[in-house]
Amino acid sequence: GAVVSQHPSWVICKSGTSVKIECRSLDFQATTMFWYRQFPKQSLMLMATSNEGSKATYEQGVEKDKFLINHASLTLSTLTVTSAHPEDSSFYICSARDTGFGDYGYTFGSGTRLTVV
Amino acid sequence: DAKTTQPNSMESNEEEPVHLPCNHSTISGTDYIHWYRQLPSQGPEYVIHGLTSNVNNRMASLAIAEDRKSSTLILHRATLRDAAVYYCILRDGNTGFQKLVFGTGTRLLVSP
Repeated sequence: GAVVSQHPSWVICKSGTSVKIECRSLDFQATTMFWYRQFPKQSLMLMATSNEGSKATYEQGVEKDKFLINHASLTLSTLTVTSAHPEDSSFYICSARDTGFGDYGYTFGSGTRLTVV
Repeated sequence: DAKTTQPNSMESNEEEPVHLPCNHSTISGTDYIHWYRQLPSQGPEYVIHGLTSNVNNRMASLAIAEDRKSSTLILHRATLRDAAVYYCILRDGNTGFQKLVFGTGTRLLVSP
């Protein structure tokens, strides 16, 4: 089945620094990927839709200058949290859909736990 | 986005069937019904999806009401590994980006 690899699985950074999270589709091409954020005991919140070769589409209330998304190729999307602060500490998850073989479900990465100290 | 309503939590005993309900009274004709589950500290995992007809796969069954305003995810024999948060999500088949918007989900507790 389709596999989405997310890296790193966890990261600790100092306040004010930037952190990059990678999301790769391993065995399929993904023109569209999705980025979510999840706080403890809460549901996933969609942050943005990442489109290969064009600008990302951000959900209302998500700061596009703080959460930079780059969909550089058909298998790689990156999320950079710029000037991170403790309130950005969260579980970040990416997702992609393999549309090459019919209507199947979405595949999610294993998530990245970001802790800003 | 059309919304879904699920109970906050449900409990089951191991090896018993589990029926997880989902109400989606504002569903449109082009909305697919998706189910995902999330184990602690992991990304969600696809379970099953359907449009109008009932669906079966190796993980579960999806029963869709005739008017499509509700659906039920059926786990035929719950195991301890099925303890997770289950999300029922509607996906608009006509929307270009076809994003998934998660609700609060149902936390399934499975007792030995």
